[in-house]
Amino acid sequence: DAMVIQNPRYQVTQFGKPVTLSCSQTLNHNVMYWYQQKSSQAPKLLFHYYDKDFNNEADTPDNFQSRRPNTSFCFLDIRSPGLGDTAMYLCATSTGGGAEETQYFGPGTRLLVL
Amino acid sequence: AQKVTQAQTEISVVEKEDVTLDCVYETRDTTYYLFWYKQPPSGELVFLIRRNSFDEQNEISGRYSWNFQKSTSSFNFTITASQVVDSAVYFCALMGRYGNKLVFGAGTILRVKS
Repeated sequence: DAMVIQNPRYQVTQFGKPVTLSCSQTLNHNVMYWYQQKSSQAPKLLFHYYDKDFNNEADTPDNFQSRRPNTSFCFLDIRSPGLGDTAMYLCATSTGGGAEETQYFGPGTRLLVL
Repeated sequence: AQKVTQAQTEISVVEKEDVTLDCVYETRDTTYYLFWYKQPPSGELVFLIRRNSFDEQNEISGRYSWNFQKSTSSFNFTITASQVVDSAVYFCALMGRYGNKLVFGAGTILRVKS
């Protein structure tokens, strides 16, 4: 089945130690998104790629970076994680096609920063 | 600015009861899109429904139904004959015409007890 896959599902890292989260999709969608969801909160968009065009949200910290080497893969890099970066990180994809635009989410990566 | 309000933080029902989750939205766009997502304890956001602003027809899918009323800016979600497997956090979300950004409400925790 076509889907959005995230690896790893759980990640523990130390304060200040860089970490990379992975997202892949078999939907061949143009747009890939990264959301941060802290405990008991709604998901918050960090940034998204429309094809190779990177779109950063204004309030996303510089500590968060992303790479999209091809259509299928997108990575979230946290350069120097702080304790406040402990959260669920959700990847989503969409066609980018306007009227029928719907975002489909992966299972998420739970990140714990110690 | 766009905003989604889910006033019910948490709802508890007994199995087989009907339950309605409220969603009120604000937008200045004349064309917009409304969504409901389910987030079970596993963490994945599961897409349930999308509604376009120009289509006010209510929708039923099995035990799920949605009531979209532009006059009151509401998009409420009803689960008929609730089941324990319906226990989850439910998010209402809004997307404007020209953006890819989903604006989420705070979510409603639904607990269905057997």
